[in-house]
Amino acid sequence: AQSVTQLDSQVPVFEEAPVELRCNYSSSVSVYLFWYVQYPNQGLQLLLKYLSGSTLVESINGFEAEFNKSQTSFHLRKPSVHISDTAEYFCAVSEGYSTLTFGKGTMLLVSP
Amino acid sequence: DAGVTQSPTHLIKTRGQQVTLRCSPKSGHDTVSWYQQALGQGPQFIFQYYEEEERQRGNFPDRFSGHQFPNYSSELNVNALLLGDSALYLCASSLDYSIEQYFGPGTRLTVT
Repeated sequence: AQSVTQLDSQVPVFEEAPVELRCNYSSSVSVYLFWYVQYPNQGLQLLLKYLSGSTLVESINGFEAEFNKSQTSFHLRKPSVHISDTAEYFCAVSEGYSTLTFGKGTMLLVSP
Repeated sequence: DAGVTQSPTHLIKTRGQQVTLRCSPKSGHDTVSWYQQALGQGPQFIFQYYEEEERQRGNFPDRFSGHQFPNYSSELNVNALLLGDSALYLCASSLDYSIEQYFGPGTRLTVT
């Protein structure tokens, strides 16, 4: 069975500082990996995904994540965060048929 | 193009009652998945519907049931509500051959 571990429940950071949100997964087969963002009282929005090909994937708002098969990780990074990035971030894994297994989430708190 | 829509937005029920939540998938999508997100947790997969059949099911009791209609919309039914059923219920739609899912805003269910 697949599982996802997000090592930090909360990450406080100052505006314009870099940030890394950690995600590790376990699976016996090839997987697809995702990062979703959830703003307060809203549903989930897809931030970025790794399906195949280049192990470094980027989002339109400056986030990036790197798939590391040997370390079974898919950490999310941003070189300079904004106040508006404050949200809950969920890492998820899929083995197919588009069913997702999520981590418990990491709350990113950006302060001025 | 309308995205995934869910109704109602909020719902308050009493223990032992039954509830029905509704979901309309993104235009063109034929697969609907339901997730339960308890407070402070990541979403957990309940089940997935395709061609009006339950295709996959997560670790949820039989009190949770669903239905998919010919127009691909879906319902989630929960019988004999427990306090622990209080959560945000998320619907996600996708194309059968696609890994990527699109989430609705969710229905917040409170059981008192």
